[in-house]
Amino acid sequence: SYVLTQPPSVSVAPGKTARITCGGNNIGSKSVHWYQQKPGQAPVLVVYDNSDRPSGIPERFSGSNSGNTATLTISRVEAGDEADYYCQVWDSSSDHWVFGGGTKLTVL
Amino acid sequence: QITLKESGPTLVKPTQTLTLTCTFSGFSLTTTGVGVGWIRQPPGKALEWLALIYWDDDKRYSPSLKSRLTITKDTSKNQVVLTVTNMDPVDTATYFCAHTDRTGDYVDYWGQGTLVTVSS
Repeated sequence: SYVLTQPPSVSVAPGKTARITCGGNNIGSKSVHWYQQKPGQAPVLVVYDNSDRPSGIPERFSGSNSGNTATLTISRVEAGDEADYYCQVWDSSSDHWVFGGGTKLTVL
Repeated sequence: QITLKESGPTLVKPTQTLTLTCTFSGFSLTTTGVGVGWIRQPPGKALEWLALIYWDDDKRYSPSLKSRLTITKDTSKNQVVLTVTNMDPVDTATYFCAHTDRTGDYVDYWGQGTLVTVSS
């Protein structure tokens, strides 16, 4: 089955840029979606189809996808961005959804 | 405005069957492309996809849990039901239901989640 690999944690200072990766075999051929989850809350979609943002999501959130790595980039990081972030794909070969293991973003 | 809400027992015993209901509004499961899925999250752990059901009654299950899961829909009640058989303490988790669409295959609306604890 398809596996998505994320780093367990990423730390960044306020105002800097955070990059959270999601690795998978030839993930560049898939559409990757990203969710933000704060403690005690349901996840929120922040990027879909690799690089599109739902309405209401700040432009500071962006995504890219190529080769074996997809990346969620958060520019000008704020304290309120501290959360867990998950990537997700639809694996067409099995017609199943797959989530990554999640990355905890800490704002220093 | 799309909303989803999970309901069901908060405590089940090992070996029992869990039945969860997702009641939704703001969309119809008879609309082409629309789907409702279930995702769970053990305390302090990652999200895990469980099952999906689409407008045409097409169903998908997590390979690792397929033998224990059943997902059904009742379009007249705007509900989707997930059953999980032979519950075990490792199934303790917050269970979320979610709205999706086959054109995107991602969750654009989530329920608030319901915590289910498995303990004797």
